Amino acid sequence: DGGITQSPKYLFRKEGQNVTLSCEQNLNHDAMYWYRQDPGQGLRLIYYSQIVNDFQKGDIAEGYSVSREKKESFPLTVTSAQKNPTAFYLCASSTNTGGEQYFGPGTRLTVT
Amino acid sequence: GEDVEQSLFLSVREGDSSVINCTYTDSSSTYLYWYKQEPGAGLQLLTYIFSNMDMKQDQRLTVLLNKKDKHLSLRIADTQTGDSAIYFCAELSGYSTLTFGKGTMLLVSP
Repeated sequence: DGGITQSPKYLFRKEGQNVTLSCEQNLNHDAMYWYRQDPGQGLRLIYYSQIVNDFQKGDIAEGYSVSREKKESFPLTVTSAQKNPTAFYLCASSTNTGGEQYFGPGTRLTVT
Repeated sequence: GEDVEQSLFLSVREGDSSVINCTYTDSSSTYLYWYKQEPGAGLQLLTYIFSNMDMKQDQRLTVLLNKKDKHLSLRIADTQTGDSAIYFCAELSGYSTLTFGKGTMLLVSP
């Protein structure tokens, strides 16, 4: 079954801790993306990667970091510098930037 | 800058048609997309239209594009309760990333 997986579905952390969200795809897509969704808001782009070992900041990259060591994987780290980390995080991929994006099921992060 | 606007809420009765509207600002947009999000889930790609098209039909879904007015609409025929969800419009332009609207919540009552 081809698709995008995100784990875990729910994640709870204490303030001041870094946390890493997983995103894996087996669609052989070159491009991958991370979005943040807050209640009543659209999706806001955090980071994206067009190819392995390369990534670009999106609109709200501050307080986040990513890596792209493998084509299949694009983990997102929410650092303690992110002031309001509680949100729903969505990962997506596409054959290349400019193609339609396919989304994972999301991870809901709660920081207290 | 780029911006995508949608009305926030639409309520229809089962069996009626639903029309969800979207306006965008970037005239260089190449593709426009409609996504569906059910509660607690990721986004599901419903359909898309290339900017040189006026209309695209896919089963119960009809997309209309008015490029002059930068207006996009999604019509769902014979709306069912299972169509209740949030619908997002998105445009592809600029640096080849998507810009999303805030979503329209569609509520279908029996």
